[in-house]
Amino acid sequence: DVKVTQSSRYLVKRTGEKVFLECVQDMDHENMFWYRQDPGLGLRLIYFSYDVKMKEKGDIPEGYSVSREKKERFSLILESASTNQTSMYLCASSFLGQGNMNTEAFFGQGTRLTVV
Amino acid sequence: GENVEQHPSTLSVQEGDSAVIKCTYSDSASNYFPWYKQELGKGPQLIIDIRSNVGEKKDQRIAVTLNKTAKHFSLHITETQPEDSAVYFCAADLHLNYGGATNKLIFGTGTLLAVQP
Repeated sequence: DVKVTQSSRYLVKRTGEKVFLECVQDMDHENMFWYRQDPGLGLRLIYFSYDVKMKEKGDIPEGYSVSREKKERFSLILESASTNQTSMYLCASSFLGQGNMNTEAFFGQGTRLTVV
Repeated sequence: GENVEQHPSTLSVQEGDSAVIKCTYSDSASNYFPWYKQELGKGPQLIIDIRSNVGEKKDQRIAVTLNKTAKHFSLHITETQPEDSAVYFCAADLHLNYGGATNKLIFGTGTLLAVQP
């Protein structure tokens, strides 16, 4: 079974802190994603990576950065946490589809971040 | 930008009844439509998906139908059970202007399904 593991289930951080959310997948997937989940808004893509050191902004990248130094690990960084970044963060991975084919995303269990 | 609309946002059914969740999408090049179930405290998990070369797909009590002309697809759960209670998300894959795959999915806003015993 594919496993996507997020390092923390719950985090409480102070405004202005630098926050690191870590995600590891064990299926050698090329693609990795960070989503934010808020009630009534569904899953919104923050950043996407399709290879080591490669990244692409998603729909809501402001206030976030990412790092992918190794294929299995994708980190989300909140440079200076703010209260409006209180949310559920979900990491996902998928393998690279061939040609015109997109593929299933496998999700981690989520990290609920509270910024106070 | 491209989007996926999902209805209803909440759905309450009696155990044994059927539940239907509907989604519409805007990217005419979309050809992959997964459905995810998210139980409380967990990440979303794929329950069924359909590609645009078929109109319907079934897996036991779950079925998905796709109408590419109208750009909508639906999830049907028959004989609902309390363990079906969860949030369900539809998604559609996103393509570039020339039709190339982006490896990204656009998600609907979710449906909270409550199955009453």
